[in-house]
Amino acid sequence: EPEVTQTPSHQVTQMGQEVILRCVPISNHLYFYWYRQILGQKVEFLVSFYNNEISEKSEIFDDQFSVERPDGSNFTLKIRSTKLEDSAMYFCASEKYQGTPGNTIYFGEGSWLTVV
Amino acid sequence: KQEVTQIPAALSVPEGENLVLNCSFTDSAIYNLQWFRQDPGKGLTSLLLIQSSQREQTSGRLNASLDKSSGRSTLYIAASQPGDSATYLCAVRRSNDYKLSFGAGTTVTVRA
Repeated sequence: EPEVTQTPSHQVTQMGQEVILRCVPISNHLYFYWYRQILGQKVEFLVSFYNNEISEKSEIFDDQFSVERPDGSNFTLKIRSTKLEDSAMYFCASEKYQGTPGNTIYFGEGSWLTVV
Repeated sequence: KQEVTQIPAALSVPEGENLVLNCSFTDSAIYNLQWFRQDPGKGLTSLLLIQSSQREQTSGRLNASLDKSSGRSTLYIAASQPGDSATYLCAVRRSNDYKLSFGAGTTVTVRA
């Protein structure tokens, strides 16, 4: 079964450093997402992306975050200057878009980010 | 703002018993509801998707019901097995913005 793949699975970074998390969505999917889960908390929405632009973002997704689809297969999340509170599991997800969103959303295994 | 609540937070049952997991949401204007399974430190595996027009969905031993007007969904897992031990998350998609709002999950332990 096709799956969303994410790299790296774990990353430890110094506070203030830039981090790029990478994702390869399912190949025929057109809608992409980033969610995150701080340890012990709910999964929360960060951003959705369609047709090479952000379609929606949460209040968490401030100027230090950015997303990009640099080629036909990758989808990245960049955190420009990491803070301690950015430590979390980051999930990439994708969806087959058929006119409107509303299909099953498939999640990757996550990238665990620890900021020290 | 959509609030999603899952009760109970944790559940421990002997193997073979049926599981009943509850999810409630505050805004009934939803597009659909999705149930996920999460193993410790792992990603989210989609189990079932119920559209707002549907009352239930079934997949193998899993059955999920939806009562949109009362803001509730229930996931039933028949004849539980130790391999069903995991955290089960409910996520609701609102009609006006499409993003998923998650509950905190129910952590299930099935004892052999």
